[in-house]
Formats: sequence, structure tokens, C-alpha cells
Amino acid sequence: DTGVSQDPRHKITKRGQNVTFRCDPISEHNRLYWYRQTLGQGPEFLTYFQNEAQLEKSRLLSDRFSAERPKGSFSTLEIQRTEQGDSAMYLCASSSRTAREEETQYFGPGTRLLVL
Amino acid sequence: GEDVEQSLFLSVREGDSSVINCTYTDSSSTYLYWYKQEPGAGLQLLTYIFSNMDMKQDQRLTVLLNKKDKHLSLRIADTQTGDSAIYFCAPRTRGSTLGRLYFGRGTQLTVWP
Repeated sequence: DTGVSQDPRHKITKRGQNVTFRCDPISEHNRLYWYRQTLGQGPEFLTYFQNEAQLEKSRLLSDRFSAERPKGSFSTLEIQRTEQGDSAMYLCASSSRTAREEETQYFGPGTRLLVL
Repeated sequence: GEDVEQSLFLSVREGDSSVINCTYTDSSSTYLYWYKQEPGAGLQLLTYIFSNMDMKQDQRLTVLLNKKDKHLSLRIADTQTGDSAIYFCAPRTRGSTLGRLYFGRGTQLTVWP
């Protein structure tokens, strides 16, 4: 399977704990996006990488959130001191400008986070 | 940013056509995408249309774009129970930084046998 993969698929944690999610994009894709989706809502943009550079962060990304893409391949999203309001599905997407389907974003299966 | 509006619910009988509508606010939208999301899953790309087109057909899917009214629709022919899911339209605007997508709340399609 050469699609976007995310790990873990589900995470339950207690308020105040730190969690880290991983995203592996489609191998030739140089652009990687993180979105957050709460129940009954559409995905909301969090942050974007081109290769290893983080080029944009949403206002939704508070100081407790940090994302990295150290070698321009996989990415991690860490949430420190989790709060119940962080409970959501965290979606990763990747795209490539070189494809005929310019900038088409392909999404992974998501990581569902529940903060107790 | 972009505001995207869709009806929240649509119910159809198996074999009928479904039409899911979407309105958006940013007239500089370049590509407009349709994604499907099944329960507990990520988003699956269905199709997309470029803003200089007014129609695109892809097997059972037909996308219509009225750029003047900023209205997009997705028609699913011969709807099947497996089409039951949430459908999102997602414009990508020329003004949006580096390709971020904007989503509304999506349309929950229920197909009755």
C-alpha cells in the first residue's frame, strides 16, 4: 500500500499527558499537511510542510502543539499537556506539485485522540 | 478565509440519483475537490474540477460548477448503499497559502435499500 499512513490509529490519554502522532506521506510527495476534525465538523487546517520546512501554522495550533518533519519524509505532531478539548481526529495529507493532479491532497486514515 | 456551506443531510433510495450541493465564498478558488468520508475513516478523494471548467464527468460522478454563483454540485448516478457516507466539498483558493483546503461541515448521505 503506497498511500498515506498514520500511527497510532487510536489514542486514549489522560488530561495533562503528552501524546505524539506520526504521519508517513506518499513517498514522492514533498508537501505534508495536518488537519484536525472534531465531531460533526469538517477538517480544519493546522500546519503545512514543504520538504522539511514548516511554512504555515494555523491559529488553532497553540503553543502546546508542535510539528516536525526532520528529513522531509515522515512528520510528527506532538501535543503537550493535553486537554479534553484536544479530543478529535487528527488527519495528515500529502501532495506533490509534480503530479498531473496538481496539489491534490491525499489523506491518511487519521489518528483519533480521546482525552479523559 | 473561505466559507463553505453544504446541506447537512440527504436521503435517497438505492438506484436513484443523489445531488449534493455546495456554496463557497472565495471567487478566486482554483481547484474544487470532493472527498468522501466513511465512519471513523480518513477522507477519500472522489474527484475535482478546475475553475475554468463547468462540468466534469467521472463514471457515476458528475460535477457541475457555476462560478458566477460560486455553487458546486456532485451528482451520483445509480446511488448504492455503499455510497452512504459524509461528502465534503473543499475549495482551494488562489489566495490560500500554499494549497490549504477549506471544508464545510459536509453532507451526510444515507442510501435506503
